[in-house]
Amino acid sequence: AQTVTQSQPEMSVQEAETVTLSCTYDTSENNYYLFWYKQPPSRQMILVIRQEAYKQQNATENRFSVNFQKAAKSFSLKISDSQLGDTAMYFCAFMKRVGYGGSQGNLIFGKGTKLSVKP
Amino acid sequence: DSGVTQTPKHLITATGQRVTLRCSPRSGDLSVYWYQQSLDQGLQFLIHYYNGEERAKGNILERFSAQQFPDLHSELNLSSLELGDSALYFCASSPLAGVDNEQFFGPGTRLTVL
Repeated sequence: AQTVTQSQPEMSVQEAETVTLSCTYDTSENNYYLFWYKQPPSRQMILVIRQEAYKQQNATENRFSVNFQKAAKSFSLKISDSQLGDTAMYFCAFMKRVGYGGSQGNLIFGKGTKLSVKP
Repeated sequence: DSGVTQTPKHLITATGQRVTLRCSPRSGDLSVYWYQQSLDQGLQFLIHYYNGEERAKGNILERFSAQQFPDLHSELNLSSLELGDSALYFCASSPLAGVDNEQFFGPGTRLTVL
């Protein structure tokens, strides 16, 4: 069974600075996807960034980037130029990939990291 | 707005009762997933339906059941409710079961069992 661990229950960062959220996972699978989801106080789940395990290049989305270390089973999220609107719970998630172009479908989530951006 | 709708937004009920949560996926999405978010268990996958058929089950209790209808909307039925069933229930949709697509989450239904 796959597990996802986020070791930082809470973090804070000053506006405009950079913060890194940690995530490790355990799996015997070789083909999978990793995600970071953001859950602001509104409780809406919003996809921040996605990484395919077979891609060596780290994914980036504007101010968000990941450091994917497959051998170490580590998937950290870096937020640059932090903004007040980045205040939210951040969840790391794993999805198994089944067959060519396929996926297990369900997401396995970590417990989350509560990020506070301070003005 | 993800395009996924869930009703009701809030539900307050008593122990032992039965409730039905409804989810309408994004237009054209064939897959619906249900997740439960609680303080002690975190976010957990419950069940996945694709085009009316059950595709995968997670940590779903026997007291819980779901179905997906021909118009692709889905319902999650929770019966013999217990205090511990109080949680935020999300549904998510994606276009195809076998393709690695993003899951789009609805706003959730907050269930409170008193």
